[in-house]
Amino acid sequence: EDQVTQSPEALRLQEGESSSLNCSYTVSGLRGLFWYRQDPGKGPEFLFTLYSAGEEKEKERLKATLTKKESFLHITAPKPEDSATYLCAVQSSGTYKYIFGTGTRLKVLA
Amino acid sequence: GAVVSQHPSRVICKSGTSVKIECRSLDFQATTMFWYRQFPKQSLMLMATSNEGSKATYEQGVEKDKFLINHASLTLSTLTVTSAHPEDSSFYICSARGHQDEAFFGQGTRLTVV
Repeated sequence: EDQVTQSPEALRLQEGESSSLNCSYTVSGLRGLFWYRQDPGKGPEFLFTLYSAGEEKEKERLKATLTKKESFLHITAPKPEDSATYLCAVQSSGTYKYIFGTGTRLKVLA
Repeated sequence: GAVVSQHPSRVICKSGTSVKIECRSLDFQATTMFWYRQFPKQSLMLMATSNEGSKATYEQGVEKDKFLINHASLTLSTLTVTSAHPEDSSFYICSARGHQDEAFFGQGTRLTVV
């Protein structure tokens, strides 16, 4: 069964304190792995798509990487405005459905 | 990025009435749209997959007659919660599949049934 597990569940960082969020997955055949940011009361905002092991994508302070079993979202020198829930999702071959993890709630303190 | 507009953002309705939520892709055509439900501090639970011009595919445990989905055009899908009850109160979110399989989400609808 396809599954996505994110850790940690919650993370508190001081402003400027870099860290990484983990997304472990098991899927019959990976079509794509997606990272989203969700603010309270809002829909998720698309960040990255990764398709194959070894691929990396960057956007401002965020960098996503992918291996055959997991993906990391690295946050470099975070700011309070980076506080949000970060969701990971996978899409398996043969379907367009997304399987979401439960997310990591990130709080960056000034 | 692509824009998906969901309306209304908040709705309060009386128990027993029906509520319609609209999801529009504004700058691209979406052959596939998805409807999710999200409980506080939990992830998105897929309710159904909506394909333009055909019947929606519902996930196990989702009542088809209660959550009516229509995808009449390449830019519009609607979710109607029929005979709503307090337990249907939740955050409902739609998404539309982009050209490279990424999902673009609407702003979500907070439904409160009183």
